[in-house]
Amino acid sequence: SQQGEEDPQALSIQEGENATMNCSYKTSINNLQWYRQNSGRGLVHLILIRSNEREKHSGRLRVTLDTSKKSSSLLITASRAADTASYFCATDAGGSYIPTFGRGTSLIVHP
Amino acid sequence: EAGVAQSPRYKIIEKRQSVAFWCNPISGHATLYWYQQILGQGPKLLIQFQNNGVVDDSQLPKDRFSAERLKGVDSTLKIQPAKLEDSAVYLCASSLYRGETQYFGPGTRLLVL
Repeated sequence: SQQGEEDPQALSIQEGENATMNCSYKTSINNLQWYRQNSGRGLVHLILIRSNEREKHSGRLRVTLDTSKKSSSLLITASRAADTASYFCATDAGGSYIPTFGRGTSLIVHP
Repeated sequence: EAGVAQSPRYKIIEKRQSVAFWCNPISGHATLYWYQQILGQGPKLLIQFQNNGVVDDSQLPKDRFSAERLKGVDSTLKIQPAKLEDSAVYLCASSLYRGETQYFGPGTRLLVL
């Protein structure tokens, strides 16, 4: 079963707008990570946020984590056409840190 | 720093044939992962190694899939015999340790006819 589930499944915006996607999970986690996957390419790591952290930034990316709601959000500010990709959250839980990916959010940024 | 290497990049086989994939992780990374990604879905973990020991293989179809990581470095994933539903991209990733950032290889795209 999928631990993390992204929402929405698809998002279409204009260049310059902000994009927000969410990830919900079911059980307590150690870490939550966001990855990007361009069409036909491998996954690229974006941000790792630990369970005792609430917010992290990396360039135009902002990730928040609310462990009480078992959810995380990824905000991409001032989006670019090059941000067009699928975005996945991955959670790991338990002492063995077994990672589980969601189904992803497909983001299209129109120039 | 060299990334995660995988080969082959593409493979086409007929059902009931066997196939093997190879992965070379980033040097010094103790944890190695194999994932199966079916079109339109997220990666599904097949097996996770810590050095040369298996941490989790609960989603590995052990009647047809096998994996090994001899000497705690390179790894191979084998399918024998292949089924049509095995058509997918097989991704290898490595991390310095469990729970840390995973670095993915380019994947092997498998088509079973």
